[in-house]
Amino acid sequence: SQQGEEDPQALSIQEGENATMNCSYKTSINNLQWYRQNSGRGLVHLILIRSNEREKHSGRLRVTLDTSKKSSSLLITASRAADTASYFCATDARSNSGYALNFGKGTSLLVTP
Amino acid sequence: ETGVTQSPTHLIKTRGQQVTLRCSSQSGHNTVSWYQQALGQGPQFIFQYYREEENGRGNFPPRFSGLQFPNYSSELNVNALELDDSALYLCASSLLDTQYFGPGTRLTVL
Repeated sequence: SQQGEEDPQALSIQEGENATMNCSYKTSINNLQWYRQNSGRGLVHLILIRSNEREKHSGRLRVTLDTSKKSSSLLITASRAADTASYFCATDARSNSGYALNFGKGTSLLVTP
Repeated sequence: ETGVTQSPTHLIKTRGQQVTLRCSSQSGHNTVSWYQQALGQGPQFIFQYYREEENGRGNFPPRFSGLQFPNYSSELNVNALELDDSALYLCASSLLDTQYFGPGTRLTVL
């Protein structure tokens, strides 16, 4: 079963605009990560935010985390055509039997020139 | 580039056959995880290996099995293939919390 749910499922914007994607999850987490996937290939790690952090920046990316609402958002500023991809949030499921990432279904972002 | 490689890139099998997928982890990473990603879905955790021992398993039947070798390369084996096993199979290596993914193997079961 999928722990995270991204919203919206699809997003279409023009170059230069900002893109915001949201993620909601169900159970307590240690950290939350965002990944990007181009055309059904491997996932590229973007950013990790820990449960005791509220906001984190990396280049044009800004991630927020609200553990009380069990939600996170990813903001991509000044988007480029190369940002076209699927974006996934992943929450950890650390237990005595390992450390799995639980992914949502993703947000498909299209950035047009 | 994550330093994680997978082979083969694509594979076509028929129902009932067996398949082995391979992954080479990033240097120094002692943990490898395998995920199945069906079309239009997010990756689903299959299992994880830490220092050659299975360290966690998702909701997959026993016909999905794996191995991790001393050089941290690993294999995913799937027996008695079913049509629903058609998917992108991703491995990810890690040392701490961040998992670094390979490009995946696209398996098609006919």
